[in-house]
Amino acid sequence: AQSVTQLDSQVPVFEEAPVELRCNYSSSVSVYLFWYVQYPNQGLQLLLKYLSGSTLVKGINGFEAEFNKSQTSFHLRKPSVHISDTAEYFCAVLTDKLIFGTGTRLQVFP
Amino acid sequence: ETGVTQTPRHLVMGMTNKKSLKCEQHLGHNAMYWYKQSAKKPLELMFVYSLEERVENNSVPSRFSPECPNSSHLFLHLHTLQPEDSALYLCASSQEWGQDLQETQYFGPGTRLLVL
Repeated sequence: AQSVTQLDSQVPVFEEAPVELRCNYSSSVSVYLFWYVQYPNQGLQLLLKYLSGSTLVKGINGFEAEFNKSQTSFHLRKPSVHISDTAEYFCAVLTDKLIFGTGTRLQVFP
Repeated sequence: ETGVTQTPRHLVMGMTNKKSLKCEQHLGHNAMYWYKQSAKKPLELMFVYSLEERVENNSVPSRFSPECPNSSHLFLHLHTLQPEDSALYLCASSQEWGQDLQETQYFGPGTRLLVL
């Protein structure tokens, strides 16, 4: 069965610091990978996705993620975070349906 | 007009009530989804509709009844719910349905439901 693991439930970080949110997946077939962000009291918004091609994917708001097939990972990174990046971040894998991880709460402090 | 809208945004209901959640998408998509988001748990896919036909039902209790009258509207009818059904219910849509099409799903803001 396919699954997605987000190892960190919460990541506190100071403003302007770099951040990495970890995501690992398990799948025996080709996968498509997504990162979504959920701001307080809002629905999910697509940050970026990997379908094929370059393993480094750039998304909105300065985020990027790297697909690593050998490590079955799709970690999300941002070199310098802002207060406004405080939100819940969800990694997801699309097989026959979209399967989400449990989410990582990114808390950015001034 | 935002892409996917949901009403109401908040709902409190008793276990004997009947209520409905509404979702509307303005993106011209053919597939629509209901998800349940509970605290500390991954999003759970409940139902998928493609071209107004239900294509997936993930073992959801019958107290949840979806309806898709056209490709732009999706309802979730609720009756005799339990307190453990309290959650955020998210609607999403995509251009088409199916993995081979690699479709991005666009989400609404959700309805926060509290069952007393």
